[in-house]
Amino acid sequence: ETGVTQSPTHLIKTRGQQVTLRCSSQSGHNTVSWYQQALGQGPQFIFQYYREEENGRGNFPPRFSGLQFPNYSSELNVNALELDDSALYLCASSLGGKGETQYFGPGTRLLVL
Amino acid sequence: GQQLNQSPQSMFIQEGEDVSMNCTSSSIFNTWLWYKQDPGEGPVLLIALYKAGELTSNGRLTAQFGITRKDSFLNISASIPSDVGIYFCAGSAPAGNKLTFGGGTRVLVKP
Repeated sequence: ETGVTQSPTHLIKTRGQQVTLRCSSQSGHNTVSWYQQALGQGPQFIFQYYREEENGRGNFPPRFSGLQFPNYSSELNVNALELDDSALYLCASSLGGKGETQYFGPGTRLLVL
Repeated sequence: GQQLNQSPQSMFIQEGEDVSMNCTSSSIFNTWLWYKQDPGEGPVLLIALYKAGELTSNGRLTAQFGITRKDSFLNISASIPSDVGIYFCAGSAPAGNKLTFGGGTRVLVKP
């Protein structure tokens, strides 16, 4: 059984650029949630995808968007990057479209200059 | 919105000591989870609690889901150096689909 994987591990972008982060869910899981973790803080919920549909969204602007594919892997896209978007982006997988028992990947560290 | 208050923010441990941390919420949760995060890595699930009053152990770790559904605690017995890290509580609201995280408890080794 494979765990949650994310790519890339690190990324450096400049303000105004766009970025795509990728996540493969744990085998057997059909739900992917994305979180943003600023330095020294707990993760903040961005949105969740369940069976390829957005299934809830946190307090993030529309320039944060996502996709889920038929194999349940997922992408997080951020347009018009701002300096405050610098953070660790975490993907978590679970089963059933709820908040319960989410398993996290190692994260992608994004630095916006 | 929902907020989780986690305390203490940091603590120093000496090998062999028992340590305790807790989380309180302004609203009820139907799931409490405890994670450990090492530097540069994602959170690793330690214990999941699904029922008010539930007490669950995982090796030297013990966690409880408070009766009011608004709090949870985590105990680590006989701490060892690899217990160093940041511990997060997280809760899921009834019919919710997201986890709300506490601010974390940073566990450090006494010099």
